[in-house]
Amino acid sequence: DAGITQSPRHKVTETGTPVTLRCHQTENHRYMYWYRQDPGHGLRLIHYSYGVKDTDKGEVSDGYSVSRSKTEDFLLTLESATSSQTSVYFCAISKGPGELFFGEGSRLTVL
Amino acid sequence: QQQVKQSPQSLIVQKGGISIINCAYENTAFDYFPWYQQFPGKGPALLIAIRPDVSEKKEGRFTISFNKSAKQFSLHIMDSQPGDSATYFCAARSGETSGSRLTFGEGTQLTVNP
Repeated sequence: DAGITQSPRHKVTETGTPVTLRCHQTENHRYMYWYRQDPGHGLRLIHYSYGVKDTDKGEVSDGYSVSRSKTEDFLLTLESATSSQTSVYFCAISKGPGELFFGEGSRLTVL
Repeated sequence: QQQVKQSPQSLIVQKGGISIINCAYENTAFDYFPWYQQFPGKGPALLIAIRPDVSEKKEGRFTISFNKSAKQFSLHIMDSQPGDSATYFCAARSGETSGSRLTFGEGTQLTVNP
């Protein structure tokens, strides 16, 4: 158990509404990541954090923002959800170089 | 642009057979190549990994073969079992300064028939 909790696990929302997904870790790891998983695309990095208030963009960051005010929490926000953001979102922590441990995912449906 | 190309998209193998999944990359800055296994409803889990200065790594029934000159690497699952049925992702890390930023392949859905 990597000590990662994602919430909510499932969410259905409407186009144009804001959505925040939360990732909570219990092991005090410095690096945290948000990926999205879509069929045919594998996992794609949205944003990542290398410390409190230190974040950077991944390859598919448009339409997403993140915040990390505490070591244990990494929030992903969709300011105005679109149908193209329907996906499964995974949070991950790094326990070593190239070694990610993932949460169980948050399934988001945007109608 | 997918920097790590994975094939096949799906694979069906009989119990006891060998499952082979292939990946190819372009970025020569990649320096670490893990494989992840994902069961339905779960997050991906690290399975096995290799560094480019090694041509092969074996852990139990799982083996990574790495060909640096061809920029290709593959996962072999020997004596495949129904419990191995899952989605497998190859990945690559672009250097130590990237922390653990990984670029993933598209995934292969493996089904092992009993």
